[in-house]
Amino acid sequence: GENVEQHPSTLSVQEGDSAVIKCTYSDSASNYFPWYKQELGKRPQLIIDIRSNVGEKKDQRIAVTLNKTAKHFSLHITETQPEDSAVYFCAASHPTGNQFYFGTGTSLTVIP
Amino acid sequence: KAGVTQTPRYLIKTRGQQVTLSCSPISGHRSVSWYQQTPGQGLQFLFEYFSETQRNKGNFPGRFSGRQFSNSRSEMNVSTLELGDSALYLCASSAQGSEKLFFGSGTQLSVL
Repeated sequence: GENVEQHPSTLSVQEGDSAVIKCTYSDSASNYFPWYKQELGKRPQLIIDIRSNVGEKKDQRIAVTLNKTAKHFSLHITETQPEDSAVYFCAASHPTGNQFYFGTGTSLTVIP
Repeated sequence: KAGVTQTPRYLIKTRGQQVTLSCSPISGHRSVSWYQQTPGQGLQFLFEYFSETQRNKGNFPGRFSGRQFSNSRSEMNVSTLELGDSALYLCASSAQGSEKLFFGSGTQLSVL
């Protein structure tokens, strides 16, 4: 089955700096890659997603890039703010339906 | 529109007991999936239901089962509880034709 690896597991940045989280996947049939943000004690929420026919997608301070050949995708957060502090999960979808394989999460801390 | 609702919020059980968790999806969503979240392991897929049919199943033992009712509400059952079943169980719903997951707040299960 699919295997998603995520790095780093923890990340601390100064406010205003950029943060990058990287994920790799193993199944070349995976075609949809969402990112979820989970604040402490709260539910995961979708923040951005990308499909395999697109190389990059941006939404204000957040961007995701996908390299299908290398089977890796990354989340980029620019101009980080304290409210960006959370655990971020990447995921890859199973092509047969709503079955997702999640990375183990990155705990991001933005230091004011 | 109300979000995904999970009950109960917390559960404490002892080894060998069984437990039933409930999930009410967003109105109109027919796909409901369940995930187990443990520290350091991320989210692991249990199963997904669509229109009362199990569409996908993860690699969990047969002690984990689920069902979906005609109103799209779903239940998950774990029999013969083990200490390792202690986790946050998250339910997510999605609209037909969409892969975007909307998560509930989860049920925190503690097995003593």
